[in-house]
Amino acid sequence: QSALTQPASVSGSPGQSITISCTGTSSDVGGHNYVSWYQQHPGKAPKLMVYDVSNRPSGISHRFSGSKSGNTASLTISGLQAEDEADYFCSSYTRSNSLGWVFGGGTKLTVL
Amino acid sequence: QVTLRESGPALVKPTQTLTLTCTFSGISLSPSGMCVSWIRQSPGKALEWLALVDWSDDKYYSTSLKTRLTISKDTSKNQVVLKMTNMDPADTATYYCARHLAAASGYYSMDVWGQGITVTVSS
Repeated sequence: QSALTQPASVSGSPGQSITISCTGTSSDVGGHNYVSWYQQHPGKAPKLMVYDVSNRPSGISHRFSGSKSGNTASLTISGLQAEDEADYFCSSYTRSNSLGWVFGGGTKLTVL
Repeated sequence: QVTLRESGPALVKPTQTLTLTCTFSGISLSPSGMCVSWIRQSPGKALEWLALVDWSDDKYYSTSLKTRLTISKDTSKNQVVLKMTNMDPADTATYYCARHLAAASGYYSMDVWGQGITVTVSS
C-alpha cells in the first residue's frame, strides 16, 4: 500500500483534459508545497513533469499543470496527445518520522 | 549533458548483500547543493524512496529499511554506492539513482534519473 493515494487509471480522448488526484496527509502533501509529478513510459525511467506543486522544469509542455488543495494535489493534462499515454506518479517530501519522500501508487493514463 | 548510470548484479541470493553503484557524468557531488537518491520500483510498479546522500555527506534513509541500507559517495570517482543487506525475494525490483533538482525552494524533487537496474532475488 502506497503512502499517497492515486486513482489506478484515467482516460481521455485526444484534445481533452484530464486530472489525476494524489491524496496524502498533513504530514506530507498538506504540510508544505513540495509535491512533484513524474511521467513514466513502459520500460523507461520516471521523468519529472511538475515540481513544488505547480512548477514545470525546463522543456516540459505548458499542457501539464499542477495544483494543491489541503491534503490533495492534482495534475492536469490539457490538450491530450497520444504520447501522453503513460503512468503518472505523485511524490511528496515528508518529515513524518524523519526526512524522506513518499510516492503514490501510480495512475495509468490511456488516451482513447 | 547530465547522465546517471546504475550498475551491479542482476541476480542475488536471499540473505546476500546487494551493492549498487551510481556513476554520473556532467555533474559533481562536490559543489554545494548536490543530492543523489536511490529509489526502487517493484514489479507491481510502486516507487519507493530508499536513501539520499548530499554534498556535505549527510545521509538519510527510509525509516522502514534504514537498518539494512548504507549509502556512500566517492566524489573523486563521481559515484554513489548503495548497500542493502539481507536481501529477500520481496526486494526484487528495478533500482534507480536520481539527482535532486536544485530549485529555489530546495532539493525536493528528482530531475535526472538513471536508466535503472533490475535486480532479482532468488536462490
